[in-house]
This record gives sequence, C-alpha cells and structure tokens, in this order.
Amino acid sequence: GENVEQHPSTLSVQEGDSAVIKCTYSDSASNYFPWYKQELGKRPQLIIDIRSNVGEKKDQRIAVTLNKTAKHFSLHITETQPEDSAVYFCAAIVNTNAGKSTFGDGTTLTVKP
Amino acid sequence: GAVVSQHPSWVICKSGTSVKIECRSLDFQATTMFWYRQFPKQSLMLMATSNEGSKATYEQGVEKDKFLINHASLTLSTLTVTSAHPEDSSFYICSAGLAGVRFFGPGTRLTVL
Repeated sequence: GENVEQHPSTLSVQEGDSAVIKCTYSDSASNYFPWYKQELGKRPQLIIDIRSNVGEKKDQRIAVTLNKTAKHFSLHITETQPEDSAVYFCAAIVNTNAGKSTFGDGTTLTVKP
Repeated sequence: GAVVSQHPSWVICKSGTSVKIECRSLDFQATTMFWYRQFPKQSLMLMATSNEGSKATYEQGVEKDKFLINHASLTLSTLTVTSAHPEDSSFYICSAGLAGVRFFGPGTRLTVL
C-alpha cells in the first residue's frame, strides 16, 4: 500500500519567515496531493492541493510543489503569521472519490511573534 | 465547499456500552465515505471505507465486529463502537469525496469511562 513520510515533525519559525514541509510517497498511482491544516480539536481543513499533471501551485502565501519522478511534494508558507500555527498534514490519494487516502504523520508548526 | 456533518460532536459513555456516530454529506451524494481515528498528537488513521449498499472495507488491525459501519443511503454513514472500552477513547472523523476532493466532518470526541 501507499506510504507517506512527512518531515519535519515539528517546525518553529519567527513571524515573517518562511516554512517548508516535505512529504514523500511510495505509490506511483497516487495523483492527488492535498495539504490540510488542523487546529486543536477541529477538523482538518484543506488549504491547498496539487494534481499530478502540475508541478507547482500557488495561493497567496501558500505554495505546493510536486516532483512526480522523485515522488515528493512540499508545502511552502511565506511571510508566516502566528495564526499559521497548527498541525499540517500531507496526503496522497488516487484521484477518485473512492480512492484511499494516506496521511503523513503531521508537522506541528509554531510561528513565534 | 462541500459540507460533511457529524453527530454527536462529543460523547461520554460507560465502558461496555455501544455508541453510534453519524456522518452526513449535506449537499452532495457520497457513495463512499471514510472513517478515521485520531489519537492525541497523532495523524489520522484510516479505519474503514464505507460503501453505500455494500459491506465496508476495513483496514488491517481494525475489528469489523467492534466497529460496525452501515452506509444505508447516499448521504449517511454510521459508525457504531460496540462494547466500548477506555482504549477506544479517541477523536473519530469521517470524510467524503466530491470531484476527487476530500471533505472532513467536524469529528466526534469519544470518551469511554
């Protein structure tokens, strides 16, 4: 089955700095890679996603890059703010509504003011 | 985006009792829903895939007789934790897909005394 590894497990940055979280996956059939932000006690919220036919996607301060050959994808947050502090999960999914999703172990991001 | 609801949001029960958690897709039909369990400071672990009109598919290590799943309609899946024990205490989250994007319910916090 699919195996997703996520690094680092914790990340602390100063407000205004950039944060990068990296994930690798094992199943070449996976072709949809979402990133979720989860605040304590709440549901994961989709913040950005990328499909396998695209190498990079950007939405304001958030960007995701995908290297299908190397089977890794990364989340980039620029100009971090304290409200960005949360746990971030990556996932790899075969892009159907019925395909299983495998999540990384999560990265706890702390943005210090 | 699409809305997935869960009920109840939290439940406290005595050891040995059964608890039913509902997951509904509010504005779309979902032939497949996913049930996750999340322990504190850990990632989401897929428990089972719920299929409308057929048996659920359980992940390895998940007891199907303990975690009963019923997907009786295109908008409702239920997870029943039977004979709950303190080790079943966790955050249970469901998810449904629409156009390949996964949406999560708000989660149910189960505490077994």
